[in-house]
Amino acid sequence: DTEVTQTPKHLVMGMTNKKSLKCEQHMGHRAMYWYKQKAKKPPELMFVYSYEKLSINESVPSRFSPECPNSSLLNLHLHALQPEDSALYLCASSRPGPEQYFGPGTRLTVT
Amino acid sequence: DAKTTQPTSMDCAEGRAANLPCNHSTISGNEYVYWYRQIHSQGPQYIIHGLKNNETNEMASLIITEDRKSSTLILPHATLRDTAVYYCIVRKGFSGTYKYIFGTGTRLKVLA
Repeated sequence: DTEVTQTPKHLVMGMTNKKSLKCEQHMGHRAMYWYKQKAKKPPELMFVYSYEKLSINESVPSRFSPECPNSSLLNLHLHALQPEDSALYLCASSRPGPEQYFGPGTRLTVT
Repeated sequence: DAKTTQPTSMDCAEGRAANLPCNHSTISGNEYVYWYRQIHSQGPQYIIHGLKNNETNEMASLIITEDRKSSTLILPHATLRDTAVYYCIVRKGFSGTYKYIFGTGTRLKVLA
């Protein structure tokens, strides 16, 4: 299994809602990442987990809350988002090293 | 952070080689250059990476200048399916804390 899966594919939420994005991999990778990508822009790193511990937070607002319950699963909890948070949210995983494998992304719309 | 600059867009005729340049003049000695591509809002796909030697795999070749300030990704025989945005990336950090610094990307259009 060489795949990173993300659910849901699309999500529409209001500014007062609480929702979560889910990412899963079964490649035995021990590093997992969240990126945010706005339209026609490159992905921007948000968080890095290494061996289930948060190792990098790129000064992301607290309305985004990551969680790594186990080595295969990565969540991103969303609360009180703003319309400008609408974007494609990408998850990736890697051995602590070489290339990252990206999932297909969750397209988030905040209304 | 090391920054990469790429042309915004390029066209290439099908069957011809596509040469995509990238400037990374502030790269540090232990930072790798990676190339990924992204097809219409799918997740980015790994192509190739290198430190200072030229590299080749089944998808592409990577030529890095001796001073490491720039590199070129070569797709030897471009097909219509190679139409995508190509990102040149500098990988910073250490094991467990690697960060990809994405360039702005080159939108490659392969023409029939």
